[in-house]
Amino acid sequence: QKEVEQNSGPLSVPEGAIASLNCTYSDRGSQSFFWYRQYSGKSPELIMSIYSNGDKEDGRFTAQLNKASQYVSLLIRDSQPSDSATYLCAVVVYGQNFVFGPGTRLSVLP
Amino acid sequence: ETGVTQSPTHLIKTRGQQVTLRCSSQSGHNTVSWYQQALGQGPQFIFQYYREEENGRGNFPPRFSGLQFPNYSSELNVNALELDDSALYLCASSLPGTSGANVLTFGAGSRLTVL
Repeated sequence: QKEVEQNSGPLSVPEGAIASLNCTYSDRGSQSFFWYRQYSGKSPELIMSIYSNGDKEDGRFTAQLNKASQYVSLLIRDSQPSDSATYLCAVVVYGQNFVFGPGTRLSVLP
Repeated sequence: ETGVTQSPTHLIKTRGQQVTLRCSSQSGHNTVSWYQQALGQGPQFIFQYYREEENGRGNFPPRFSGLQFPNYSSELNVNALELDDSALYLCASSLPGTSGANVLTFGAGSRLTVL
């Protein structure tokens, strides 16, 4: 069974700090990895996608993938109160659907 | 370019009733997926439609059914509603292909409450 696990949180960080969000997955056939942000009562919106081992940076966001450890993370630098949301990790096995984790709730304190 | 639109945004039904939710995909996207998101949980895959045919299904009973139309819009139908069907129903469109590189673009969702 394909599973994606995340710490449910809440994860609280002070404004300006680095927030680190983690995700593990069980299916070694997973090929594509995504981070979505979901504000309360809203739909998920894509933040980052990553397909190869290593780091991928986009502005204040860095996604890190380690396929050997079946681990993907999202770092948010210089966290802002507007980053307060639930962050969903999603994994795709080749040719199959997106499997989402339960999400981690992040709270950035002013 | 228009995004993914869903209707209705909110609805209340009673147990045993039937509901139809609608979705228009983003321009250029011919693949539509439906997800159920219960409160405090991640989205759960219901099914996907591509070229008007079901192209994958999650662990949902047959009373969850769907359609895709020639214009790529889609419907989700749920019969014999149960209390546990109360959730946010998300429609997501994407480009075709099985590489997994095609990201999902979500609509705003339809929040269903079953009393």
